[in-house]
Amino acid sequence: EAGVTQFPSHSVIEKGQTVTLRCDPISGHDNLYWYRRVMGKEIKFLLHFVKESKQDESGMPNNRFLAERTGGTYSTLKVQPAELEDSGVYFCASSQGRRGIRSYNEQFFGPGTRLTVL
Amino acid sequence: GDSVTQMEGPVTLSEEAFLTINCTYTATGYPSLFWYVQYPGEGLQLLLKATKADDKGSNKGFEATYRKETTSFHLEKGSVQVSDSAVYFCALVGFSGSARQLTFGSGTQLTVLP
Repeated sequence: EAGVTQFPSHSVIEKGQTVTLRCDPISGHDNLYWYRRVMGKEIKFLLHFVKESKQDESGMPNNRFLAERTGGTYSTLKVQPAELEDSGVYFCASSQGRRGIRSYNEQFFGPGTRLTVL
Repeated sequence: GDSVTQMEGPVTLSEEAFLTINCTYTATGYPSLFWYVQYPGEGLQLLLKATKADDKGSNKGFEATYRKETTSFHLEKGSVQVSDSAVYFCALVGFSGSARQLTFGSGTQLTVLP
């Protein structure tokens, strides 16, 4: 079974340009998460989809970031316009649907996209 | 809010040395605790987990015990190998509200020399 895949693996753009990152979750996983690691610091949550709906986008840094999940399958994260502080590694993770109020389904991570904004 | 404080790196050890990476957390209620590992060029992988106090998670010779009294989840391995070189992240999932996202520490880069 294929794992979580992300594209591209690396992206180098100039400040002010637009970049779109893509994540393909494990087939059948309802939950999809985006995280970001900036400058070797902690990995921070950005947002969470349940199928095609945004369950929680409290971690999105500002309105330059737009995430979508078409038909509850793959997801894209667009940064427009990109700023220097957006540089970092963007991780995507997916998990199965939740079974109970205290249940936790393991999140499976992709390899990440390294974004460099010059 | 929830937070994880992890031992600063990088850590460099000789093969067969003992490893400890400290991790403490702040969370309401009773979070589940995790250690994730990222090998060079790969994504994050779940290394081990513990879901309640005094639980011990273990995998590949690594162990960590959920200590509620000290709010800690330190990672240990008795004898490291070169292949253990990676970045290790301590993380938690809280159960306040409906949030199920992971809260991570800053990561610890481990290099094991032959």
